[in-house]
Amino acid sequence: AQTVTQSQPEMSVQEAETVTLSCTYDTSESNYYLFWYKQPPSRQMILVIRQEAYKQQNATENRFSVNFQKAAKSFSLKISDSQLGDTAMYFCAFMTPHNNAGNMLTFGGGTRLMVKP
Amino acid sequence: DGGITQSPKYLFRKEGQNVTLSCEQNLNHDAMYWYRQDPGQGLRLIYYSQIVNDFQKGDIAEGYSVSREKKESFPLTVTSAQKNPTAFYLCASSRLLNTEAFFGQGTRLTVV
Repeated sequence: AQTVTQSQPEMSVQEAETVTLSCTYDTSESNYYLFWYKQPPSRQMILVIRQEAYKQQNATENRFSVNFQKAAKSFSLKISDSQLGDTAMYFCAFMTPHNNAGNMLTFGGGTRLMVKP
Repeated sequence: DGGITQSPKYLFRKEGQNVTLSCEQNLNHDAMYWYRQDPGQGLRLIYYSQIVNDFQKGDIAEGYSVSREKKESFPLTVTSAQKNPTAFYLCASSRLLNTEAFFGQGTRLTVV
């Protein structure tokens, strides 16, 4: 079974600064996908960024980037130039694609990020 | 607009009653999922379905039931056997294999 751990229950950052959220996972699979989802106060889950395990290059989406360390089973999210709208819960999630088992996500416990003006 | 619609947004249930949460998608996705979220915790998988008339239990299926009679619909019934049903429930869908999951806006269920 896969497990995902987010060791930072809460974090805060000043507007325009950079913050890094941590995530570690445990799996024996070699083919998998990792995601960061954002859940703002509206509680809508929004995909921020995804990383395929077979890709060595770290994924980047505008101000969001990841540091994927496959050997260490680490997948951190860096948010640059933090904005007030980045205030949300952030969830790290893991998925192994199985033909007969669907694309179920295993989630970490979340990190509550507060961006301060 | 394409998306996933969950209803109702808020639901109150008396102890001992069954309630059904609705989830409809018009994204033409084959796979659909139900997750439960408790305060301060991540999401946990209740049930999932890859095809009409077929579904599988997730990690916390006890006290829940689902059906998948149409591709677009995947309702979740919270039965009286569920000991602690008060939670936030999220429905999601995806194409099969290696793809992003799209989420509905959730239903907040409270037992009164």
